[in-house]
Amino acid sequence: EIVLTQSPGTLSLSPGERATLSCRASQSVSSSYLAWYQQKPGQAPRLLIYGASSRATGIPDRFSGSGSGTDFTLTISRLEPEDFAVYYCQQWAGTFGQGTKLEIK
Amino acid sequence: QVQLQESGPGLVKPSETLSLTCTVSGGSISSYYWSWIRQPPGKGLEWIGYIYYSGSTNYNPSLKSRVTISVDTSKNQFSLKLSSVTAADTAVYYCARVATHYYGSGGYYYYMDVWGKGTTVTVSS
Repeated sequence: EIVLTQSPGTLSLSPGERATLSCRASQSVSSSYLAWYQQKPGQAPRLLIYGASSRATGIPDRFSGSGSGTDFTLTISRLEPEDFAVYYCQQWAGTFGQGTKLEIK
Repeated sequence: QVQLQESGPGLVKPSETLSLTCTVSGGSISSYYWSWIRQPPGKGLEWIGYIYYSGSTNYNPSLKSRVTISVDTSKNQFSLKLSSVTAADTAVYYCARVATHYYGSGGYYYYMDVWGKGTTVTVSS
């Protein structure tokens, strides 16, 4: 079973700053199966990125995904107040990462 | 616009079977995969399994012995059964649609693009 490890566990930043979230797989993952989700308290997760780098419909272009093999990254170029949430990576039909909590500094 | 709604008992006794249904509205259940995911209180997301509208399934190995996912295309619903539950199965349970997107060279993207709001299930006597 492939394990996805996200880092950092918590990221404290200010609005306007750049956020870089990492997702590392225990073995190679097909990029076409790697997605990122955002979850706010009391809400269902929302799809941000699929195929490692394709933005989902309606997702602002400040969100971008990159990576291949075992290392994937979600970047938020300029944080908006509504971006502070928990972010999960997932390999299709497999485990989620444990999540990165993005909090306001 | 496709919407998903989970339904089922909010309280289940230990050792019994948890049963949930996801109703799909605004679109057809056909030609898609459908998935169940859960989230214990204060913890991360756990993928439970998926079903194709034709009935083929795939389950999380850690839950496989206790999970059954089924589909009823006539009702536009799919369901989850989890047997022999314990307190560790207490969670918010989500259903989700799996989009498949062909990108060429025989390759497909798979991702969960529409989610239900989730339903809380507590396992307690």
